[in-house]
Amino acid sequence: AQSVAQPEDQVNVAEGNPLTVKCTYSVSGNPYLFWYVQYPNRGLQFLLKYITGDNLVKGSYGFEAEFNKSQTSFHLKKPSALVSDSALYFCAVRDSSSASKIIFGSGTRLSIRP
Amino acid sequence: NAGVTQTPKFQVLKTGQSMTLQCAQDMNHEYMSWYRQDPGMGLRLIHYSVGAGITDQGEVPNGYNVSRSTTEDFPLRLLSAAPSQTSVYFCASSSGLAGTGTGELFFGEGSRLTVL
Repeated sequence: AQSVAQPEDQVNVAEGNPLTVKCTYSVSGNPYLFWYVQYPNRGLQFLLKYITGDNLVKGSYGFEAEFNKSQTSFHLKKPSALVSDSALYFCAVRDSSSASKIIFGSGTRLSIRP
Repeated sequence: NAGVTQTPKFQVLKTGQSMTLQCAQDMNHEYMSWYRQDPGMGLRLIHYSVGAGITDQGEVPNGYNVSRSTTEDFPLRLLSAAPSQTSVYFCASSSGLAGTGTGELFFGEGSRLTVL
C-alpha cells in the first residue's frame, strides 16, 4: 500500500531565508508525487508535481521540489521565504501500479516570521 | 467557472441522523473524490470515482456511502451520523486521474460537519 510521511508538524523560518518542508513516501510501483498548499478556511491548491524526468520540479509561487528515488523523498523548497508563504502544506503520492488513489501526508504548518 | 462546489458549508447533526453532503463540478472531470481532514491526521480518502457509475473505497470508507449517476455530481451520504464523523470534508476532482492519468486535484472549499 502507498503511504506518505511528513515528519515535521511545524517549520519556522525567517523571511528571506531558504525553506525546506520534508516528505518521504512508500509505493510499490513508480511514484507520482504532489505538493498542495492550504490557506486558512480554504480548500487545497496544487503547487507542483513530479511524474517523470528531471528530478527538480518547479511550481507556483517560486516553490520547487526535488525528487530523490534512493531516499524516497520529495522535499519542498524555496530559496527566499515570504511572510505570505505561511500556510499548511501537504505532500501526496499516487502509486502508478495501483488504483486511482491519491494519499496525503499529515501536513506541515509553515510559519514565516518577518 | 465555479470549479468544485460543496454544500452545505456548515452542518450540525445529532447522533443517528442522516445527511448528504453535495459536491458538483463544472469542469467535466472524470475523477471525483471525498476526503476528510482532521487535526494531525492530514487528509484521508473516503471514496472516489473514476467516472459515472463507478465508485470505489478509499482509506476510511466505513459509515459513508457514495454514488455517481452523472459526471458532474458526487454526493456523500452519512446514513447514521456518529461523533467520530465530526470533521471537515473536502470534495476534489481531476481531469487526469482515471486510469494511469497524472492530473492534479481541484478542491472545493470544504464542509464543516459537527455531530453531537
